[in-house]
Amino acid sequence: EVQLVESGGGLVKPGASLKLSCVASGFTFSDYWMSWVRQTPGKTMEWIGDIKYDGSYTNYAPSLKNRFTISRDNAKSTLYLQMSNVRSEDTATYYCTRGTTGIPEGWFAYWGQGTLVTVSS
Amino acid sequence: DIRMTQSPASLSASLGETVNIECLASEDIYSDLAWYQQKPGKSPQLLIYNANSLQNGVPSRFSGSGSGTQYSLKINSLQSEDVATYFCQQYNNYPLTFGSGTKLEIK
Repeated sequence: EVQLVESGGGLVKPGASLKLSCVASGFTFSDYWMSWVRQTPGKTMEWIGDIKYDGSYTNYAPSLKNRFTISRDNAKSTLYLQMSNVRSEDTATYYCTRGTTGIPEGWFAYWGQGTLVTVSS
Repeated sequence: DIRMTQSPASLSASLGETVNIECLASEDIYSDLAWYQQKPGKSPQLLIYNANSLQNGVPSRFSGSGSGTQYSLKINSLQSEDVATYFCQQYNNYPLTFGSGTKLEIK
């Protein structure tokens, strides 16, 4: 069974940095592109970016590219999202997601339970 | 960015009814469209991909259609467990973008 478990969320002050993790199990992590998607308290969904199965290539939402970095450790089956200079508008639940096959189809067949990040002073 | 305009924002229907949710893309997305269901307090679940392909395990009362810039999700014979928020998402072009969601309630 595919499982994606995010962690690392919490209360963080504006301007700070935070690193989220997503531990994957139930599949060969190194075979799959992975993505991060976030959902604001108002329920707006926003794609953050994705990373190739070997970590050699990433795509980002242009609005987040300068502050967010996606990486992975295939030996640990773990996906990361490094967030820097966070702002109040980054307050959201952050989801780790995966497609159906190893190629980046574009849709998200598997989602983690999400980790909540709250940015407030 | 491709803008996804979803309607209606909310919908109330009776058990057994058929409901339709629409999604309009700001440009042709060539059927590169997915639909998700998010029940209260849960993560989204994939219902439909490639505009009309039903994800494994999804009940057949859900169906998707459309082409070009106009797409729809149809739910036949509405059940109580269909209470949820539904989102469309395009993947024809980066950045991937979502509709604003349709909240479905039972009348």
